[in-house]
Amino acid sequence: AQSVTQLGSHVSVSEGALVLLRCNYSSSVPPYLFWYVQYPNQGLQLLLKYTSAATLVKGINGFEAEFKKSETSFHLTKPSAHMSDAAEYFCAVSEQDYKLSFGAGTTVTVRA
Amino acid sequence: NAGVTQTPKFQVLKTGQSMTLQCAQDMNHEYMSWYRQDPGMGLRLIHYSVGAGITDQGEVPNGYNVSRSTTEDFPLRLLSAAPSQTSVYFCASRLTGGSGNTIYFGEGSWLTVV
Repeated sequence: AQSVTQLGSHVSVSEGALVLLRCNYSSSVPPYLFWYVQYPNQGLQLLLKYTSAATLVKGINGFEAEFKKSETSFHLTKPSAHMSDAAEYFCAVSEQDYKLSFGAGTTVTVRA
Repeated sequence: NAGVTQTPKFQVLKTGQSMTLQCAQDMNHEYMSWYRQDPGMGLRLIHYSVGAGITDQGEVPNGYNVSRSTTEDFPLRLLSAAPSQTSVYFCASRLTGGSGNTIYFGEGSWLTVV
């Protein structure tokens, strides 16, 4: 069985500050991990994914995430927030059955 | 290349009415699925399909039916709408060659049941 926990339903950062979104997972087998972003009234867009090739994964829009097996974590970071990063972010995990299980989401607001 | 297309985008239903949310993909993906999104709960899997003629239940299947007669289409039917089915619905698809394959989402269908 797989599950995802996103710590913090809301995160507020200043423009130019570090963005850190936390994701922990539970999985009985090595997982595939994803981060998606959702802008208001839109669908989900893939930011990045971990598929065991490298533990540090770089995605679009300057985001990256690090897979830490010992901590069962896949935290998302961006060194410098931009106003356009205001959105909802979802962490998701997939095992061998093609289905994705999602976390509850973290809403990011960016202060000018 | 249209990707995953959902219709309608917005719908208001009265309690007890039935309707079908349409989903079509043009990427020849074997796997298709329906999720519902509710505040604070992320996306929850309703039904999924790994190919034409094959469907299975997800986490929250009650009140919904699906069928998969072609690779391209995966409609979601609400048989007798209830206010608890007010939600945003997303259709998604992916290749089945590996669980690391990217899953692609439609733009969503906003459903209100009054």
